[in-house]
Amino acid sequence: DAMVIQNPRYQVTQFGKPVTLSCSQTLNHNVMYWYQQKSSQAPKLLFHYYDKDFNNEADTPDNFQSRRPNTSFCFLDIRSPGLGDAAMYLCATSRLSGTSGNEQFFGPGTRLTVL
Amino acid sequence: KNEVEQSPQNLTAQEGEFITINCSYSVGISALHWLQQHPGGGIVSLFMLSSGKKKHGRLIATINIQEKHSSLHITASHPRDSAVYICAVRSGGNEKLTFGTGTRLTIIP
Repeated sequence: DAMVIQNPRYQVTQFGKPVTLSCSQTLNHNVMYWYQQKSSQAPKLLFHYYDKDFNNEADTPDNFQSRRPNTSFCFLDIRSPGLGDAAMYLCATSRLSGTSGNEQFFGPGTRLTVL
Repeated sequence: KNEVEQSPQNLTAQEGEFITINCSYSVGISALHWLQQHPGGGIVSLFMLSSGKKKHGRLIATINIQEKHSSLHITASHPRDSAVYICAVRSGGNEKLTFGTGTRLTIIP
């Protein structure tokens, strides 16, 4: 089945130790998003790619970086995780044309714990 | 004031009851999404609406563009429907979703 896959589902890292979260999709969607969701809060968009074009939200800290080496994969790099970065990180995809329009399809998320 | 408001914030009901969750928004939109998130889980897209009504199984979503209001209904509710339901809107050509605060639904057997 076509889907959005995130690895790992759970990630534990130490304060200041870089971590990379992975997202892959079999939907061949041209837009990929990374959201941060803290407990009991709505998801917050960090950035998105339209094909290879990177779009950063103005309030996304420099500590967060992203790479999209090809259509299928997108990575979220946290260069120096702090305790405040502990959250669920959600990847989503959408396609700008076609019958599904701009509906976003979400992955299961990666829960990041910072010790 | 949030651009997207949901009510109620929390809802507890008995199994079998008819459930309604409301969403009001203050901006012009190109589409409205209803999303479901189980505790500790990822998000599942339930509906994307730009007009009228959609139905999928026991779920029905309606939208009134003039009144800037949408409702999500669940018929014959079941404990597995217990989740947070999130309304999100998209404006114009902007890909960014603006999320509501979510409604936590608990269905008691």
